[in-house]
Amino acid sequence: NAGVTQTPKFQVLKTGQSMTLQCAQDMNHEYMSWYRQDPGMGLRLIHYSVGAGITDQGEVPNGYNVSRSTTEDFPLRLLSAAPSQTSVYFCASSRGGLLDEQYFGPGTRLTVT
Amino acid sequence: GNSVTQMEGPVTLSEEAFLTINCTYTATGYPSLFWYVQYPGEGLQLLLKATKADDKGSNKGFEATYRKETTSFHLEKGSVQVSDSAVYFCALSSRGNTPLVFGKGTRLSVIA
Repeated sequence: NAGVTQTPKFQVLKTGQSMTLQCAQDMNHEYMSWYRQDPGMGLRLIHYSVGAGITDQGEVPNGYNVSRSTTEDFPLRLLSAAPSQTSVYFCASSRGGLLDEQYFGPGTRLTVT
Repeated sequence: GNSVTQMEGPVTLSEEAFLTINCTYTATGYPSLFWYVQYPGEGLQLLLKATKADDKGSNKGFEATYRKETTSFHLEKGSVQVSDSAVYFCALSSRGNTPLVFGKGTRLSVIA
């Protein structure tokens, strides 16, 4: 059981570039989420999904897209990177719902120059 | 809306000292409350949780009691170790599958 995996671990982008952060879980969890972590801000929810084919916006969705075509995968797409998106991104999943224990991936550190 | 307020860090303690990290919340209804811990270079892990008033969550020597009358969920440990050095996050989720709302985190450093 690998749990929640994220790739890449580190990424540097130039302003305006696009990229996809990958997230996969092998626990057959229905619920998956993306958070960003910034100093002094805690974690803020970007998007979440309650099952394959269903996604919804969180607190800070602008500039990000998600899709959920399978239970296992929940990629996060940056459409046109901006310096304000420099952050550490965490993917999380849970079995029974958002009230259940969230299992977090190791994170992706993204720098936009 | 829902919100969580944690005490500002960083907190620096000597080994075997008593730890309290304060957490208060604002929420409608009866939220579930959580403490998550983030060790250096890792993602967050659930430390403990409580789902109703007066419940006490406990794990690895840490405890927190859900106090509805004071809207608080303070984290305590009687004797900290160097290995407890981490960032601690208080979080809540209201009923109905609303996403977790996190506090800003409190960094704890324990020195030998």
